[in-house]
Amino acid sequence: AQTVTQSQPEMSVQEAETVTLSCTYDTSESDYYLFWYKQPPSRQMILVIRQEAYKQQNATENRFSVNFQKAAKSFSLKISDSQLGDAAMYFCAYRSNNNDMRFGAGTRLTVKP
Amino acid sequence: DGGITQSPKYLFRKEGQNVTLSCEQNLNHDAMYWYRQDPGQGLRLIYYSQIVNDFQKGDIAEGYSVSREKKESFPLTVTSAQKNPTAFYLCASSTLKGDSYEQYFGPGTRLTVT
Repeated sequence: AQTVTQSQPEMSVQEAETVTLSCTYDTSESDYYLFWYKQPPSRQMILVIRQEAYKQQNATENRFSVNFQKAAKSFSLKISDSQLGDAAMYFCAYRSNNNDMRFGAGTRLTVKP
Repeated sequence: DGGITQSPKYLFRKEGQNVTLSCEQNLNHDAMYWYRQDPGQGLRLIYYSQIVNDFQKGDIAEGYSVSREKKESFPLTVTSAQKNPTAFYLCASSTLKGDSYEQYFGPGTRLTVT
């Protein structure tokens, strides 16, 4: 089964600065999907960004962008111009072609004013 | 408004009792999922269903049961056989068509068993 590893249990960033959250995964598949979800204190899971493995171009959504390195099986999330509202748990997720979804253990992001 | 509803938000039960958590979606999604989240941990898959009247076990299905009699509904029963049922439970759904494969989540149910 695929596994997703987030090696940073906690990260901290100064407001308006940039932070990068790491994610690696293990798979033998060539076609799959990757996601970053945000879970604020309300515990509602919110999709931040997604990446299709067949696309070479890194996905971008406003202040959020990814660095997708397929050969290295790495999928990091960069948050630019960090805001107080970005403080949350961030989960990396892998979805295989048979719709099996795996989540990492999460990274707790703190934003300092 | 389209979305996923889970009820109730908080649920309390005595040990030894079965309890059913509700999950309803009006997004016309084919697939539905149940996850368990323990403090400081990620999401672990309990069960998922890709079509009515069919479902598959996830990583931690023991002590849980599900049904999928309608496309919109995917209730989860936590049975007395589940050794540590106290947790936060999240329901999700997704389409199986097109290019949008992300999962949409409900607000969750916090179950406490004493």
